[in-house]
Amino acid sequence: NAGVTQTPKFQVLKTGQSMTLQCAQDMNHNSMYWYRQDPGMGLRLIYYSASEGTTDKGEVPNGYNVSRLNKREFSLRLESAAPSQTSVYFCASSETIGRTEAFFGQGTRLTVV
Amino acid sequence: GQQVMQIPQYQHVQEGEDFTTYCNSSTTLSNIQWYKQRPGGHPVFLIQLVKSGEVKKQKRLTFQFGEAKKNSSLHITATQTTDVGTYFCAGPVTSMDSSYKLIFGSGTRLLVRP
Repeated sequence: NAGVTQTPKFQVLKTGQSMTLQCAQDMNHNSMYWYRQDPGMGLRLIYYSASEGTTDKGEVPNGYNVSRLNKREFSLRLESAAPSQTSVYFCASSETIGRTEAFFGQGTRLTVV
Repeated sequence: GQQVMQIPQYQHVQEGEDFTTYCNSSTTLSNIQWYKQRPGGHPVFLIQLVKSGEVKKQKRLTFQFGEAKKNSSLHITATQTTDVGTYFCAGPVTSMDSSYKLIFGSGTRLLVRP
């Protein structure tokens, strides 16, 4: 049982490059999330998807886009990476938003130079 | 907007000492969750509290949910080096369209001196 799988684990981008972070869960969860983690800032919600077919902005959505491709997959896209987007990105999923345990992926460490 | 705040940011204790982290929400929460993140790892769910005034224990960890359901605490008795990590609270806060989103506190990083 893989749980939540994120790819890649590490990435270095140049300013202005684009990339997509992939996330897939095999627990048949309805809700999925993308968070970023910066030192001293905790986990900040970028975007979330309450259920298949819906996406909503979180606390820090600027500079990002998401796609809920199907119930399993939720991708995060950086169209034009900036150094301020250097962070650790976590994908998570849960049966329902905030009412049930959230399971996290291993994280993607992204550096934008 | 609605916020979930956590204090202290850091706590450095001697092994065997107790530790407490506090979580406060600007609005009433329907429930609150606690997570632990080991250094270099990802957050892992510890527990969920739902009822006003609820207290739950997991071995040396005691979790409380305030009567007004706006604050919570995690207390660790007699810390061990295995307790090292960052502890987060999280709650479902309502969006402008009345849907929920899961918001985390800023976390308390616990360091334990052996």
